[in-house]
Amino acid sequence: EAQVTQNPRYLITVTGKKLTVTCSQNMNHEYMSWYRQDPGLGLRQIYYSMNVEVTDKGDVPEGYKVSRKEKRNFPLILESPSPNQTSLYFCASSFGPGGYEQYFGPGTRLTVT
Amino acid sequence: GENVEQHPSTLSVQEGDSAVIKCTYSDSASNYFPWYKQELGKGPQLIIDIRSNVGEKKDQRIAVTLNKTAKHFSLHITETQPEDSAVYFCAASNQAGTALIFGKGTTLSVSS
Repeated sequence: EAQVTQNPRYLITVTGKKLTVTCSQNMNHEYMSWYRQDPGLGLRQIYYSMNVEVTDKGDVPEGYKVSRKEKRNFPLILESPSPNQTSLYFCASSFGPGGYEQYFGPGTRLTVT
Repeated sequence: GENVEQHPSTLSVQEGDSAVIKCTYSDSASNYFPWYKQELGKGPQLIIDIRSNVGEKKDQRIAVTLNKTAKHFSLHITETQPEDSAVYFCAASNQAGTALIFGKGTTLSVSS
């Protein structure tokens, strides 16, 4: 089954404790992206990757890091999480960037206390 | 910067009525306009999309119209059903073609 998986689905952590949210896709997509969803603000792009070893900032990259060492995986790293990073995070993948259907993962609900 | 405005933020209709959600975009270079549906506890899923060389597209009860001159596009759902209740997002491709810019979403409630 074609899908995007994210882990963990739920995470509660404390300020400053490094964490990684994993994302994996099995569709051989070149483009992958991370979004955060906040009430009243919709979906905002954090980082995206056009291909292996090629990543770039989206609209809200501060406080986040990403890497793309393999085509299927695109982890999101929070080196020192803060309460304002409490949000619902989605990973997405597609064959290409702006003009293609994006397939979203199920989401990761992160709470930083 | 590039922006997509979406209205209304909430919409309540009776089963069987039509629902219309409207979006405007700022970048005249945008050429791809998808609509996503997000059910509770799930990720957004594409329901219909339209490209700038087309004015209207239909898929059963769902249709999207695009007015490039006015830079707005709309989602039309006819004969609404309770299972249409969800959050709907419009989006537009950015000028560089590297990403989608999403609207803030519309929560549609269909009551039976």
